[in-house]
Amino acid sequence: DSGVTQTPKHLITATGQRVTLRCSPRSGDLSVYWYQQSLDQGLQFLIQYYNGEERAKGNILERFSAQQFPDLHSELNLSSLELGDSALYFCASSTGTAYNEQFFGPGTRLTVL
Amino acid sequence: AQSVTQLDSQVPVFEEAPVELRCNYSSSVSVYLFWYVQYPNQGLQLLLKYLSGSTLVKGINGFEAEFNKSQTSFHLRKPSVHISDTAEYFCAVSDKGTGGGADGLTFGKGTHLIIQP
Repeated sequence: DSGVTQTPKHLITATGQRVTLRCSPRSGDLSVYWYQQSLDQGLQFLIQYYNGEERAKGNILERFSAQQFPDLHSELNLSSLELGDSALYFCASSTGTAYNEQFFGPGTRLTVL
Repeated sequence: AQSVTQLDSQVPVFEEAPVELRCNYSSSVSVYLFWYVQYPNQGLQLLLKYLSGSTLVKGINGFEAEFNKSQTSFHLRKPSVHISDTAEYFCAVSDKGTGGGADGLTFGKGTHLIIQP
């Protein structure tokens, strides 16, 4: 158990809909990262927040957004969903210091029908 | 920009045999290097990391990896595998220069390690 929690575990929705994925980092970690894992793209970094502020952006679509709240939990919002958005979405957390060792949650499996 | 190449998508090995999973990276700056393991239907677990110092790094479950700067490689090895090592293994890099954990990890495509009895 990494200490990172993600909800829900599974999510099934239809094209065009909007969903919110939630992540709680390990106790004491200030950084939260979101990743997408799909068969064709592999594991891709989407976005990072540090202590409530956006810190780095990866291959995140404009239809996707995220935020980190004062209690340090984070939410990833996916809108106008397409079939290709079906994937595993992982959240990871780290202390935010130099070594960038990240601890991953169990993931949310999103299925868009 | 960084990239990671895992040369084998699948590696079948007999139980108790040694194994090497290959990883090469490309980066214009110094990097931190990581190996993660993903068991079926689970998240990623850190196996080991290279930050600096000794180029031979030991991790959990008997795995080790060697950083070779001249060949830009970070191959993962285990002298004797067990059936429970069946999993997907991912090599990842992070830019050392930005510090503060300000970058997401760049992952390879993964290597599926299949242990045959």
